[in-house]
Amino acid sequence: NAGVTQTPKFQVLKTGQSMTLQCAQDMNHNSMYWYRQDPGMGLRLIYYSASEGTTDKGEVPNGYNVSRLNKREFSLRLESAAPSQTSVYFCASRRDGVTEAFFGQGTRLTVV
Amino acid sequence: AQSVTQLDSQVPVFEEAPVELRCNYSSSVSVYLFWYVQYPNQGLQLLLKYLSGSTLVESINGFEAEFNKSQTSFHLRKPSVHISDTAEYFCAVRRGSGNTPLVFGKGTRLSVIA
Repeated sequence: NAGVTQTPKFQVLKTGQSMTLQCAQDMNHNSMYWYRQDPGMGLRLIYYSASEGTTDKGEVPNGYNVSRLNKREFSLRLESAAPSQTSVYFCASRRDGVTEAFFGQGTRLTVV
Repeated sequence: AQSVTQLDSQVPVFEEAPVELRCNYSSSVSVYLFWYVQYPNQGLQLLLKYLSGSTLVESINGFEAEFNKSQTSFHLRKPSVHISDTAEYFCAVRRGSGNTPLVFGKGTRLSVIA
């Protein structure tokens, strides 16, 4: 039982490049989330998906797009990466009726 | 909307000493409260949670937190810390109804000194 799996674990991009961060969960959870973690800022919500086919903006959505491909997968796309998007990105999921979220191990992204 | 304030960004403490990590929240509705722990280069793990009922909740590794509605606080305590407790601790809140995301505080880095 893998839980929440994020790929890649590390990535270096040049300014202006695009990439997609992948997230998959095998717990049959309905809700999935993307957060970014920056020093002294805690975790800030980028986007979330309450169910397959729906997505909503969080606190810091600018510069990102998401796709809820199916119930298992929720991807985060950076169309034109900027140095301000250097961060650690966490995907999380939660089952309806359960209060807490379960987190992946994170993707450390550096934009140069 | 909910928000969380963690009053201390860093807390150094000697091994076997007690520690308290402070967390205050603001919300106009009922909430669920959580403490997550993040060890170096890892994801977040749930430490404990308050949903309803007894205001004192405990984790399996000796941490406890008390929900105080009048002070809108959910402070985390441990009577005797170990080196292995060195980590970053995040307080989080979620609305007690509906399908809403967790809102996190900025975190407190606990450093246990031998």
